[in-house]
Amino acid sequence: KAGVTQTPRYLIKTRGQQVTLSCSPISGHRSVSWYQQTPGQGLQFLFEYFSETQRNKGNFPGRFSGRQFSNSRSEMNVSTLELGDSALYLCASSLEGGVSTGELFFGEGSRLTVL
Amino acid sequence: GESVGLHLPTLSVQEGDNSIINCAYSNSASDYFIWYKQESGKGPQFIIDIRSNMDKRQGQRVTVLLNKTVKHLSLQIAATQPGDSAVYFCAENIGGSYIPTFGRGTSLIVHP
Repeated sequence: KAGVTQTPRYLIKTRGQQVTLSCSPISGHRSVSWYQQTPGQGLQFLFEYFSETQRNKGNFPGRFSGRQFSNSRSEMNVSTLELGDSALYLCASSLEGGVSTGELFFGEGSRLTVL
Repeated sequence: GESVGLHLPTLSVQEGDNSIINCAYSNSASDYFIWYKQESGKGPQFIIDIRSNMDKRQGQRVTVLLNKTVKHLSLQIAATQPGDSAVYFCAENIGGSYIPTFGRGTSLIVHP
C-alpha cells in the first residue's frame, strides 16, 4: 500500500508570492491533516479535513488555507508569502481522524523556502 | 539530510547502550500518548502509543512509561543502534480530539 505522498518536495518562492502544496493520503484514509514544522516552533497544527470538510483549524492567519477533494487528496495554499513561512509542511492521513482512534501516517513533507 | 530541529535537546549514546528519552506533557486531561521518530529528510513515523489507563507498554526494543502523577512520558530504546539516530517526538491527545499536541522533540545520536 502506497504511503502518504506530498508534492513538491522542495520549492523556493519569494516574498509576496503564493504557493500550493499537494497531499495524496493513503488509500482509504479520509482524514488529512497539515502541519508546519520549524526549528523554533516544532510541529504546529494547521488544519484537518475529513470528507471534503474542514473539521479543525489551528491558530494560523487566513493566508493559510486548504481544501480536500472527493478522492481525499488535499491541497494547502499560502498566499502573500512571508519569510517566516519558510518551513517543512507535513501532511498526515488517518482512517477516520482522531488520533485516539488510530495513528497518523505522515508524508515526507514539502520544504518551502521563502526568499 | 535536512535538519528538523536546530535547538533540540540532544541525547548521545554508544551503540548497544539503552536510551531513555523523556517528555513532559502539558494537559492533565490527555488520555492518549504517542511517540514518533523522525529521521533526517523524512516525515514522523509512529513508534508506539499508550493510553492513560496503562503505565507501561512494550514494543519491539521500545518501552513507553507513563507517569500521570507528574505528567511525564518516557521512551526507552534497548540496545540502541545507529539506525535509531533521529528526532523523537512525544504527542498527547485528549479523547475525542482530532488534534494531537506535539512536544519539541529530542535528537538522539547513536555513535558506532
